[in-house]
Amino acid sequence: EAQVTQNPRYLITVTGKKLTVTCSQNMNHEYMSWYRQDPGLGLRQIYYSMNVEVTDKGDVPEGYKVSRKEKRNFPLILESPSPNQTSLYFCASTRSPGSYEQYFGPGTRLTVT
Amino acid sequence: DQQVKQNSPSLSVQEGRISILNCDYTNSMFDYFLWYKKYPAEGPTFLISISSIKDKNEDGRFTVFLNKSAKHLSLHIVPSQPGDSAVYFCAANYQKLVFGQGTRLTINP
Repeated sequence: EAQVTQNPRYLITVTGKKLTVTCSQNMNHEYMSWYRQDPGLGLRQIYYSMNVEVTDKGDVPEGYKVSRKEKRNFPLILESPSPNQTSLYFCASTRSPGSYEQYFGPGTRLTVT
Repeated sequence: DQQVKQNSPSLSVQEGRISILNCDYTNSMFDYFLWYKKYPAEGPTFLISISSIKDKNEDGRFTVFLNKSAKHLSLHIVPSQPGDSAVYFCAANYQKLVFGQGTRLTINP
């Protein structure tokens, strides 16, 4: 089954404690993204990757890091989480930037206290 | 600067009636528009799309209309069913996808 998986699905942590949210897709897609969803703001892109070892900032990259060492995986790293990073996070993938339909993971709800 | 806006946070429609969800955009360079549907505890899923060279696209009960002069996009669902209750996001593409805030649609039996 074609899918995007994320782990963990729910996470409560404290300010400053480094964390990683994993994302994996089994569709051999080149293009992957991370979004955060906040009330009244919709989905905003954090980072994206056009292929292995190629990553770039989206609209709200501050406080986040990513890496793309393998085509299928695109982890999101919060080196020093803060309460304003409490949000719902989605990983997405697509064949290429020119292919508009994105496949989303189930989401990770993060709470930073 | 919100380039894609969904001004109605919520919409309630009776089962069997038409649901109309609206979306406005500001960037005339957008060349492709999409609607995504999101159920609780799930990621958004693609619903329907339209190229900027068209003004209408239909897929079963779902029709998307594009009015470029007004920079307005709408999604019509006819007839509405209880399973259509979800959050709907419109999105527009120019070099990257830009999403609206979402509209929560509730279909009442």
